[in-house]
Amino acid sequence: NAGVTQTPKFRVLKTGQSMTLLCAQDMNHEYMYWYRQDPGMGLRLIHYSVGEGTTAKGEVPDGYNVSRLKKQNFLLGLESAAPSQTSVYFCASRPQGQGAWSGLAKNIQYFGAGTRLSVL
Amino acid sequence: ILNVEQSPQSLHVQEGDSTNFTCSFPSSNFYALHWYRWETAKSPEALFVMTLNGDEKKKGRISATLNTKEGYSYLYIKGSQPEDSATYLCAPYSSASKIIFGSGTRLSIRP
Repeated sequence: NAGVTQTPKFRVLKTGQSMTLLCAQDMNHEYMYWYRQDPGMGLRLIHYSVGEGTTAKGEVPDGYNVSRLKKQNFLLGLESAAPSQTSVYFCASRPQGQGAWSGLAKNIQYFGAGTRLSVL
Repeated sequence: ILNVEQSPQSLHVQEGDSTNFTCSFPSSNFYALHWYRWETAKSPEALFVMTLNGDEKKKGRISATLNTKEGYSYLYIKGSQPEDSATYLCAPYSSASKIIFGSGTRLSIRP
């Protein structure tokens, strides 16, 4: 059982280049999230998705785009990379839960191993 | 957006000592709170899920409490061991879908 898989694990870009980070989960989860982790700042939410075909902005969405064409995949795109986007990126997923909000609230997130991105 | 604060930012504790740290959040629009443990070079892993005011959870030497009326949760570690060294993140839910993480408390255990 692979869980949440992120590709690539490492990447170095030049300023202005574009790239796409892939997150794939095999747990049939409804919700998926992209975070970035910077020193002293914990995890900041970039974008998230509550289901196939839906996306929403998080805390720090500028400079990123996302797509959720298939339920199992959540793609994070950088159209024109900037040095400020140097970070470690984490993807997470969780199930929607059943019925009442308490079921929703109890469902924890499962994280990928992270993608370390450097923009020169 | 939910304002989440964790304190202290970092903590150095002697092996065998007990310690605790805090997660503060606005008490309105509270759904639930998760604690995650994040070891260096690994992914965050869930420790506790807390939903009701007065909740107390325990897992081995680690326990947590929740006060939704005043907007805080405490994480306690009894008899710290080197393997407890990690960053501990809290994540209150402000809605069913959006989860905002605190910046974490980085715990280092001195042998």
